Parts: sequence; C-alpha cells; structure tokens
Amino acid sequence: AQRVTQPEKLLSVFKGAPVELKCNYSYSGSPELFWYVQYSRQRLQLLLRHISRESIKGFTADLNKGETSFHLKKPFAQEEDSAMYYCAFLYGNKLVFGAGTILRVKS
Amino acid sequence: SQTIHQWPATLVQPVGSPLSLECTVEGTSNPNLYWYRQAAGRGLQLLFYSVGIGQISSEVPQNLSASRPQDRQFILSSKKLLLSDSGFYLCAWSVGGNRNTGELFFGEGSRLTVL
Repeated sequence: AQRVTQPEKLLSVFKGAPVELKCNYSYSGSPELFWYVQYSRQRLQLLLRHISRESIKGFTADLNKGETSFHLKKPFAQEEDSAMYYCAFLYGNKLVFGAGTILRVKS
Repeated sequence: SQTIHQWPATLVQPVGSPLSLECTVEGTSNPNLYWYRQAAGRGLQLLFYSVGIGQISSEVPQNLSASRPQDRQFILSSKKLLLSDSGFYLCAWSVGGNRNTGELFFGEGSRLTVL
C-alpha cells in the first residue's frame, strides 16, 4: 500500500543548528511528494513540493528514489521554524499524510 | 480569491448523539473536497474525499459518513457518536480534475469532544 513514514514524532534543535526531518515513502511508481507545515494557531499549508525543486523559507527537500526518501532540510534553524511538519504523497486525487514531526527550535 | 469555511469550530457532544460538521468553499468551482481527522500521534487520516456532487469516496470504515449536496459544500455526519470519534476534523479543497497539483487548502478545523 502507498504509505508515508515519518519516524520522528519530535525533533528538538538549537537555533542555528542544521535540521533534517525524515520522510520515507512506499510506492513502486514515480511519486509526487510534498511537505506541509502547521505553525501554532495557523492553518495547515503547503511548504514545498518535490516537482518544484524550490527552496522555501530556507528549506529544501530532495527526492531520493534509491532510498525512497524525501527528507526536509535546512542548514540553519530559526525559532520561527518551530511547527508541525507533515510529509505527504499524492495518489490519484488523494493526498496521504505521514504522522507528522514536531520541530522545536530552542534559543 | 478562494476561501474555505468550516463550522462549528468546537463541539462537545454526548455519546450516541448525532453529528454534523459543515464545510463550504467560495471562489472556485468543481473543487475536490476532503475530510481529514487529526489525532495526536496518528497524524492526518483521510476520511472522505469527493471529486463532484454526490460522489463520495470513503477511506476508512467507521462511524462517519459524508455528503456533498452542492458543488462547494461538504458535510461530515454521524448518526450516533462514539468516544473514539473525538478529534480534530479538517476540511480541505484542491483544484479538481486534471489540474489537481496536490496542493490542498485547509479550513481552520473543528474540534469534537465526545463525552
């Protein structure tokens, strides 16, 4: 079955440290993968998608088909990055989400 | 511009009572519509989605049902709530048909507590 796995429930880092939020997927075809973010008291929203190959708020994510991974990275974490992050997989008209990872950036 | 509204924002209901959560989208036509449940430790669980009026796909066998009586209206219902139905329910929409890019736009959510 198509699935997205985020192994970490919580990731806590210091401000200025690198961040890597892990995401692995299970799909035999060519996946369409996304990262969504939910800041405190805000709506869940799209952060980036792998097709765009863009950097948003300093975050990047590269699709690694060999490792079936789509990890979210940022070289220097900021306190405003603290949020819940979800990896997601588009399958037809369905967007399937992982369990999410809470990122806490400490000062 | 497009907007999505869902209500009520908070609901406390006794076990065995009915449920109706409503979601409406403005500023677009023929959207795909979704109901998710967000539970601690379980992430976002897709409950139902709809690609058109009267077309409902159920993802998880459960005590809930969904309906789409109008193009931009999506309703989540239950005839008899269970304790396990407690959670945070999110409605979302995306561009429909072949233009679906995978970008979902979420509502503010409805917190349901079943006592």
